[in-house]
Amino acid sequence: GQNIDQPTEMTATEGAIVQINCTYQTSGFNGLFWYQQHAGEAPTFLSYNVLDGLEEKGRFSSFLSRSKGYSYLLLKELQMKDSASYLCAVRDSNYQLIWGAGTKLIIKP
Amino acid sequence: SAVISQKPSRDICQRGTSLTIQCQVDSQVTMMFWYRQQPGQSLTLIATANQGSEATYESGFVIDKFPISRPNLTFSTLTVSNMSPEDSSIYLCSVELGQGGNQPQHFGDGTRLSIL
Repeated sequence: GQNIDQPTEMTATEGAIVQINCTYQTSGFNGLFWYQQHAGEAPTFLSYNVLDGLEEKGRFSSFLSRSKGYSYLLLKELQMKDSASYLCAVRDSNYQLIWGAGTKLIIKP
Repeated sequence: SAVISQKPSRDICQRGTSLTIQCQVDSQVTMMFWYRQQPGQSLTLIATANQGSEATYESGFVIDKFPISRPNLTFSTLTVSNMSPEDSSIYLCSVELGQGGNQPQHFGDGTRLSIL
């Protein structure tokens, strides 16, 4: 079967750095997406990786290793507004999006 | 990006009734998707709505329970039929704005549905 694993919840301190991991086992791979979802709101697109390596977008970076079936989202200079759930999703060989359960990130002052 | 409008934003319904959710996009898109998200959980794809053909339903979802319309390239509806408390959830529509595997899905604001 297809599976995406993320930690259920993480806690970090304002101003710090946090890394949210995602491991996947899917039938084929055609890219990995990270989304942010604030409570009560819809998911919003953060980043896309299809080749190995690091993609940087301001305070957020996303890394991919296809051989390891692994990605992480790195959030720097954490702000209280970064408190949200972060969803990892993989596009499989049929171009279907397989969604992880999400990681709830709690930022403390 | 695109503006994706979903209506209603929330509703409280009686058991046994049906509700139709609308999703309007401000640009033409080939594929529209309908998801369910139960509290504290991730997204579950209900079906993919393609213009000009029948919707494609995922395992565990059937057309009689979740009929979908896709009359044109900017609009779709999802009906939740004969509702029960187990249907209480957030329903989300999403679109892919271009073609190719690198296109993310963009979501409407969702419909928060509570069944009494």
